[in-house]
Amino acid sequence: GAGVSQTPSNKVTEKGKYVELRCDPISGHTALYWYRQSLGQGPEFLIYFQGTGAADDSGLPNDRFFAVRPEGSVSTLKIQRTERGDSAVYLCASSLNSGRAYEQYFGPGTRLTVT
Amino acid sequence: DAKTTQPPSMDCAEGRAANLPCNHSTISGNEYVYWYRQIHSQGPQYIIHGLKNNETNEMASLIITEDRKSSTLILPHATLRDTAVYYCIVRVSDDYKLSFGAGTTVTVRA
Repeated sequence: GAGVSQTPSNKVTEKGKYVELRCDPISGHTALYWYRQSLGQGPEFLIYFQGTGAADDSGLPNDRFFAVRPEGSVSTLKIQRTERGDSAVYLCASSLNSGRAYEQYFGPGTRLTVT
Repeated sequence: DAKTTQPPSMDCAEGRAANLPCNHSTISGNEYVYWYRQIHSQGPQYIIHGLKNNETNEMASLIITEDRKSSTLILPHATLRDTAVYYCIVRVSDDYKLSFGAGTTVTVRA
């Protein structure tokens, strides 16, 4: 079946601009996660959704970052007033439910470059 | 604080077994050991996980020491497509987050 998809695959934007990154999880997966991966490092947790609600947004670095999942499926990560330090690969993952028994399936990521 | 320690890199010959070590000396009784890998330009991929018993699946074997302070991921017959960064993660059973370290960059050479 189809895996997690993310669009766009690459995004180049100017400092100060607004960007939206989209994640389409695996159909039927109730849990959705966003991670950020800087060059040479492992992914870092940003936010976790269970259904439509953000159950944990403790990883969002500041209030310029926001994510939604209005219908419990597709999610959008929104970044306002982008900064060069926001440049990274943004990864989305989904799982059937939360907890260790449910594996997280990752998308290929969106590479964001802020110039 | 990093919960796991892995060597930054290792090479392996194609067709041979690759043994990837991981130290997790502060692991708690309810924490599982997970392994993920990330092939270049792809998202991480689940490999295997275990609590205290050794585990095997179609991808790999996981050997956990009796005191659970370390583990080894074994790729029985490494191929060029196994070249990736391998992450060892310690995770509480009901924790939804994956906490990745820097991992081990494994290069399989022909």
